[in-house]
Amino acid sequence: DAGITQSPRHKVTETGTPVTLRCHQTENHRYMYWYRQDPGHGLRLIHYSYGVKDTDKGEVSDGYSVSRSKTEDFLLTLESATSSQTSVYFCAISDPVDYEQYFGPGTRLTVT
Amino acid sequence: GIQVEQSPPDLILQEGANSTLRCNFSDSVNNLQWFHQNPWGQLINLFYIPSGTKQNGRLSATTVATERYSLLYISSSQTTDSGVYFCAVLNQAGTALIFGKGTTLSVSS
Repeated sequence: DAGITQSPRHKVTETGTPVTLRCHQTENHRYMYWYRQDPGHGLRLIHYSYGVKDTDKGEVSDGYSVSRSKTEDFLLTLESATSSQTSVYFCAISDPVDYEQYFGPGTRLTVT
Repeated sequence: GIQVEQSPPDLILQEGANSTLRCNFSDSVNNLQWFHQNPWGQLINLFYIPSGTKQNGRLSATTVATERYSLLYISSSQTTDSGVYFCAVLNQAGTALIFGKGTTLSVSS
């Protein structure tokens, strides 16, 4: 299994509070991604990174920001959480040889 | 953008039965992956198969890129095969996987 961990694994927070999710990899893969999974929508890309300090927006980036200061860590921040951001968040990694993506265990976030 | 359609949406099998899951995509792709999401929510890589045929134990997959479809075969199904099977293709910008809605498989003993 690819060495990808996510923290926390579960979180309940209140509307309006900031939340940061962490993805950590031990594979030294260059590319990292954040997806969210919702019923009826499948998995959708929020943001991705193609290297340290190089990030870009995905399909559903509104309300989210990311940072990548080290190869192994990719942070996803909800500046002011809303109930519509209740979801399961997955981190993924890949390398630029074949772009095969491997996923972390997920973080279940509930915004009340 | 690329559209990914999976069929059937749901499948109920008795243990030991065989099944075929289909994935159609709307444009040419350089990357196609099959995943199994188990009942605990974990996404497990099954195959990276942009073209051709691969086998791994009881599972095999075939992608016919020129006809824009891929098939996942499960033989002698077991209860541990239950879960959701996703097909995903890399978008044309090479930045994101586009997922189908999945096939939910339930295998009973």
